[in-house]
Amino acid sequence: RKEVEQDPGPFNVPEGATVAFNCTYSNSASQSFFWYRQDCRKEPKLLMSVYSSGNEDGRFTAQLNRASQYISLLIRDSKLSDSATYLCVVKIGNDMRFGAGTRLTVKP
Amino acid sequence: DTAVSQTPKYLVTQMGNDKSIKCEQNLGHDTMYWYKQDSKKFLKIMFSYNNKELIINETVPNRFSPKSPDKAHLNLHINSLELGDSAVYFCASSQSGLREQYFGPGTRLTVT
Repeated sequence: RKEVEQDPGPFNVPEGATVAFNCTYSNSASQSFFWYRQDCRKEPKLLMSVYSSGNEDGRFTAQLNRASQYISLLIRDSKLSDSATYLCVVKIGNDMRFGAGTRLTVKP
Repeated sequence: DTAVSQTPKYLVTQMGNDKSIKCEQNLGHDTMYWYKQDSKKFLKIMFSYNNKELIINETVPNRFSPKSPDKAHLNLHINSLELGDSAVYFCASSQSGLREQYFGPGTRLTVT
């Protein structure tokens, strides 16, 4: 079983749609959780951290369920510029483990 | 100013050659990493250095050797390059106790 699993997609949605990505992780000792965004041929960049109580940053909402070892990312009112690959990341100590990513394409 | 920089950005070389990739960070972080992203886009950690000491060494061939001359630099030397080494290599840095990592722009290595 992979340490971090994501649906690879692709998700193809129209502008303005709401889309949700899910992620599961296998190591219960995971301490911190993140969503990173990676544009084509670019480096991964931090989108947002994920907190136990859930957190929101504009159109983006992240949720964490430690009991189920499950993380989610919700994007509301999708923009063309949201098209990218979204990476689920868990941290254990100094060690970061990345999911394979979920590809999102937002179309006009 | 670029926070994490890598050189070269592109590297095309033949099988059997030895090459190095350099990484520098100006964020004052104490931990640096090398990742490999293959054609399937899966990002996998290779090495991690904290204060110039190796703390993570995933199962990578001995042909790969990281070197950290100081906290701000982590270079990757690869001996006897193979076709399967073709990938994008990302350097990253973070500060112990803080949460996120910052990535360099990547080095696209093509072995022919």
